[in-house]
Amino acid sequence: GESVGLHLPTLSVQEGDNSIINCAYSNSASDYFIWYKQESGKGPQFIIDIRSNMDKRQGQRVTVLLNKTVKHLSLQIAATQPGDSAVYFCAESGQNFVFGPGTRLSVLP
Amino acid sequence: EPEVTQTPSHQVTQMGQEVILRCVPISNHLYFYWYRQILGQKVEFLVSFYNNEISEKSEIFDDQFSVERPDGSNFTLKIRSTKLEDSAMYFCASTTGGVLAFFGQGTRLTVV
Repeated sequence: GESVGLHLPTLSVQEGDNSIINCAYSNSASDYFIWYKQESGKGPQFIIDIRSNMDKRQGQRVTVLLNKTVKHLSLQIAATQPGDSAVYFCAESGQNFVFGPGTRLSVLP
Repeated sequence: EPEVTQTPSHQVTQMGQEVILRCVPISNHLYFYWYRQILGQKVEFLVSFYNNEISEKSEIFDDQFSVERPDGSNFTLKIRSTKLEDSAMYFCASTTGGVLAFFGQGTRLTVV
């Protein structure tokens, strides 16, 4: 069956460094992916999305890379800030949205 | 900025009782969703709703669950006879049909 999973459950980075959060998916027919940020006690917050006809998409301080060959998605956060500390989920769009298990990003001072 | 609102923020109920979780989606949105998140786990799809009917539901969404859009603004999730394992955060989301960008803050359901 289809599944979306993450390679690393936790990630700690120094403030100011770049963060890379990875995600693997198994449904090669998926054509749309989203990254969400979830802070403690809050709902998922949309960060950035990408369609399968793209390899890369940039937002403000964030970049999503899609490698369809190996079914891998990554989220890069530039100059990580304390406010970036949260759990990050990738989600795969089909009839509904399938979420991965999440990676907790901790930003160290 | 438009937002999805959910009430209550926290609901405690006894096992076997019925609960209704309420959501007010963004006003011009057409597609509505319920997701749940058991503590420390990933967000799981429950049900999607469009044009006053269920579009899709997951295997979690069994006969104990139902959804309704009673008045054109609210979107509710009812659990008829709660079980301990229903304890979770329940998130409502809405879209115009595109990006699933708008989630509510969630209702924490605790079944005791």
